[in-house]
Amino acid sequence: AQTVTQSQPEMSVQEAETVTLSCTYDTSESDYYLFWYKQPPSRQMILVIRQEAYKQQNATENRFSVNFQKAAKSFSLKISDSQLGDAAMYFCAYRSSVRNYQLIWGAGTKLIIKP
Amino acid sequence: DTGVSQNPRHKITKRGQNVTFRCDPISEHNRLYWYRQTLGQGPEFLTYFQNEAQLEKSRLLSDRFSAERPKGSFSTLEIQRTEQGDSAMYLCASSHSPGTGATGELFFGEGSRLTVL
Repeated sequence: AQTVTQSQPEMSVQEAETVTLSCTYDTSESDYYLFWYKQPPSRQMILVIRQEAYKQQNATENRFSVNFQKAAKSFSLKISDSQLGDAAMYFCAYRSSVRNYQLIWGAGTKLIIKP
Repeated sequence: DTGVSQNPRHKITKRGQNVTFRCDPISEHNRLYWYRQTLGQGPEFLTYFQNEAQLEKSRLLSDRFSAERPKGSFSTLEIQRTEQGDSAMYLCASSHSPGTGATGELFFGEGSRLTVL
């Protein structure tokens, strides 16, 4: 069975600085998708960034980028120029290409932005 | 379309009572999902529908839980004889089926928080 591990329960960063959130996963599959979702307090979960396992190029969305290391089964999220609105819980999630109806989630990392 | 809508947002009930949650997905999405999230944890998959068919149910979905999507549009999640362990946030999401031209990205509602006293 696949598992997703986020080893940082909480991270803090100064506004305008860069922060990296860690995620590792375990799978025997070769084709899958990885996601980072953001959940602000009392707000819905929204997709931050997505990575297809067959793509070697790391995904980038504006200030958000990932470092995808397939062999190491690592998928970290880098947030550049941190803003107050980035404060939220961040969840890493895995989706099999076969069981494509189910996301398997990490426990989350609470990101605090210091003004 | 304003996104995925869930009602009620909060429900407080006594142990042993039945509760029902409703989810209205994004209209053009054929898939609808229910997840459960407890404090400090990531969501856990409960079940999903493709159109009106319930295609997969997690072992977490005991026989006290039932979900329906009668016309392939909105869905309800009913919990019978609630227990304190059912206290959680129940998240609904919808998506297109992953495949050619569709990433299958999940769009979530704000959740329905259940507190069982």
